[in-house]
Amino acid sequence: NAGVMQNPRHLVRRRGQEARLRCSPMKGHSHVYWYRQLPEEGLKFMVYLQKENIIDESGMPKERFSAEFPKEGPSILRIQQVVRGDSAAYFCASSPPQGSDTQYFGPGTRLTVL
Amino acid sequence: RKEVEQDPGPFNVPEGATVAFNCTYSNSASQSFFWYRQDCRKEPKLLMSVYSSGNEDGRFTAQLNRASQYISLLIRDSKLSDSATYLCAVSWVPPLVFGKGTRLSVIA
Repeated sequence: NAGVMQNPRHLVRRRGQEARLRCSPMKGHSHVYWYRQLPEEGLKFMVYLQKENIIDESGMPKERFSAEFPKEGPSILRIQQVVRGDSAAYFCASSPPQGSDTQYFGPGTRLTVL
Repeated sequence: RKEVEQDPGPFNVPEGATVAFNCTYSNSASQSFFWYRQDCRKEPKLLMSVYSSGNEDGRFTAQLNRASQYISLLIRDSKLSDSATYLCAVSWVPPLVFGKGTRLSVIA
């Protein structure tokens, strides 16, 4: 009974490169959330997706960031032209179909931008 | 005013002590409340949901006070392994809004 899976666990990019983070929700879960956690900071919501739909992207920076959750395959958080300020831990969480707000987190991807 | 606020701590307590954390929230329409535990450089792990009637799980007790808009977490008989950051989370609609966390250190 696998939990939420994220890969890679660690990602190093140089400024200007693209970062692509993947998240597979728990079995039976259809809602995916992405959060960012800067060092010594709390978790900040970025985007909420269901299969093929973005439900809420109010926490996403207006430029360079995008997310998708295709019909098949994992959810992807993409950061284009990364800058040093993008260095953070990016956590994905999933929850069951409507009726529950309980979210379970994956192990996160630690992005380091050199 | 921040949506969800917690005392950052750190709370340094001896083993066996009882410690309590509070978390205040600003949106009176909030419907769901949770406590998560986060160890250093790890993901948040769900500790417990918080219900209107309060709930208990072993040494942990969570309470909700809707009138004053806060939730609390009580840890009895603290263990060294309880050392972590405790995050409260609140939602009125998804997603969750997290506090910055309260750091607990249990000392031998």
